[in-house]
Amino acid sequence: ELKVEQNPLFLSMQEGKNYTIYCNYSTTSDRLYWYRQDPGKSLESLFVLLSNGAVKQEGRLMASLDTKARLSTLHITAAVHDLSATYFCAALRADSWGKLQFGAGTQVVVTP
Amino acid sequence: DAGITQSPRYKITETGRQVTLMCHQTWSHSYMFWYRQDLGHGLRLIYYSAAADITDKGEVPDGYVVSRSKTENFPLTLESATRSQTSVYFCASSEKYRAYQPQHFGDGTRLSIL
Repeated sequence: ELKVEQNPLFLSMQEGKNYTIYCNYSTTSDRLYWYRQDPGKSLESLFVLLSNGAVKQEGRLMASLDTKARLSTLHITAAVHDLSATYFCAALRADSWGKLQFGAGTQVVVTP
Repeated sequence: DAGITQSPRYKITETGRQVTLMCHQTWSHSYMFWYRQDLGHGLRLIYYSAAADITDKGEVPDGYVVSRSKTENFPLTLESATRSQTSVYFCASSEKYRAYQPQHFGDGTRLSIL
């Protein structure tokens, strides 16, 4: 059974500093997704990582995938207040039908 | 507008009542999903559907029923609501042959059961 673990679950960031969120998954998966959720809102897709070594960047966010280590990371560069949100990773399940297994989420709060 | 819409956005009901949450998507996506989101649990899959008339249970299906007579609609019914079903419910869809694209989520339904 595929399990997805994120850490940390809560991250207090100082503006201007760099941080990393880790996403480990327990069994082979072909796809890894990152989503952002603002309080009271829906989930917004950030990145889709399709293969080993994949790296995607958008603004201050960069995601990478190491399928051999079953690890994805979301790196935040020079954090700003607008990045305060909850970030979820999700892995595509092998029994598929497009099903995703979500991590518990990392709540990020960025303060001055 | 194209997209995925859920209704109602908010619902308060009483234990024992039947309640149906609606989900409609305009992309003609094959796959549709229902999740519930609770503090400390992330998103948990309730039911999913691969196509019209093809549905199956997810991680937490007890107390829920789904149907999918048309590709674009995927209603979720709580047959006899319980307080433990108080949650935020999200519907999502994705395309079968474009797995590189993410699931797209609706705005959610906030359901309170008194």
